[in-house]
Amino acid sequence: EDKVVQSPLSLVVHEGDTVTLNCSYEVTNFRSLLWYKQEKKAPTFLFMLTSSGIEKKSGRLSSILDKKELSSILNITATQTGDSAIYLCAVDGGSGTYKYIFGTGTRLKVLA
Amino acid sequence: DGGITQSPKYLFRKEGQNVTLSCEQNLNHDAMYWYRQDPGQGLRLIYYSQIVNDFQKGDIAEGYSVSREKKESFPLTVTSAQKNPTAFYLCATEKGPFYGYTFGSGTRLTVV
Repeated sequence: EDKVVQSPLSLVVHEGDTVTLNCSYEVTNFRSLLWYKQEKKAPTFLFMLTSSGIEKKSGRLSSILDKKELSSILNITATQTGDSAIYLCAVDGGSGTYKYIFGTGTRLKVLA
Repeated sequence: DGGITQSPKYLFRKEGQNVTLSCEQNLNHDAMYWYRQDPGQGLRLIYYSQIVNDFQKGDIAEGYSVSREKKESFPLTVTSAQKNPTAFYLCATEKGPFYGYTFGSGTRLTVV
């Protein structure tokens, strides 16, 4: 069965800390991995990682795909209270005809 | 501005009632999706449609129905057969392969 597992489920840090969120997957035919940030309602797109693009960076956020370990990490440096959100990982690679399989998410809370 | 509009934001359903959640998009995307989000379970796919007048069941389609009569619209009906409908419902579109999803702001459905 295709699945995506995120860890930790929740995390509380203080402003300025660096955090690493994990996403591991078992899918039939990996095509891409996506990271989303969900603050209140709609998840917003952060990164897409593929076999041809295994590392992405945007400001304080960066992500790496490890195809050997079937996993990805999302790093956030110098965290701010505005980083508090649920971070979702989704993988395109299931055996079915539809697309992304989502993990349960990591809830990050950044304290001032 | 292009985007996805979900309505209503909050919906209350009595036992035995059918209710319909609206999803409208002006992004000109072919593919549209409905997900259900429950605490601790991530996003689960209900139905998806890749072209007008065609749709497929996702992982948890029982108790739900959809239609895709227009490219812009993909309404979801939660029927009385859905025994535990209280959840947050997200509609998403996809421009094409390797673009990822764009999400609406969601509808929170509560059974009273």
